[in-house]
Amino acid sequence: GAGVSQTPSNKVTEKGKYVELRCDPISGHTALYWYRQSLGQGPEFLIYFQGTGAADDSGLPNDRFFAVRPEGSVSTLKIQRTERGDSAVYLCASSFISGANVLTFGAGSRLTVL
Amino acid sequence: KQEVTQIPAALSVPEGENLVLNCSFTDSAIYNLQWFRQDPGKGLTSLLLIQSSQREQTSGRLNASLDKSSGRSTLYIAASQPGDSATYLCAVSRSGGSNYKLTFGKGTLLTVNP
Repeated sequence: GAGVSQTPSNKVTEKGKYVELRCDPISGHTALYWYRQSLGQGPEFLIYFQGTGAADDSGLPNDRFFAVRPEGSVSTLKIQRTERGDSAVYLCASSFISGANVLTFGAGSRLTVL
Repeated sequence: KQEVTQIPAALSVPEGENLVLNCSFTDSAIYNLQWFRQDPGKGLTSLLLIQSSQREQTSGRLNASLDKSSGRSTLYIAASQPGDSATYLCAVSRSGGSNYKLTFGKGTLLTVNP
């Protein structure tokens, strides 16, 4: 596609529920990133994929968070047993290769945990 | 741990003014520095990327400078317009194996009044 697409744009869920957030990167971009932006803060790194593999998942806050990219294109961020503190905007970005490249960000998925 | 600080947190100016946004970072071992724009409900748009070996980059009315040794960058916006109103974020990547990982500041909320 022309840009990075994220769905849903908004998700409201109850504490304890399971949530999946989807990212469809720009076609041909091998690098994909997830960031989390809490209110009034800058985005914080969660995980980086190069192709199908998670090259760096050091930013995932705990084992309730998991992300996959099985075919090297679409990625899904999965959050188990959601907590109110998980409420944030989850941003996905992609780039042709990592490092010196400009990232293209999606509009984000706003997650609200009640 | 890299920390990025942006000053001021918010800025309101009349249309036509030239303005400067500031960004400082604690670890000078950076790979590159980027300035992003974020509009409400939208993703981040990359404005300028400065490699660690560069001193400045220009795009239209925007000019970004980098002083790596002092850990500072400035974004200069000439002849500001109401359409420039947005949050501006500064982000650095670290030199070495994890140069794909961006550390963001909290941003400067800019309002340009007609």
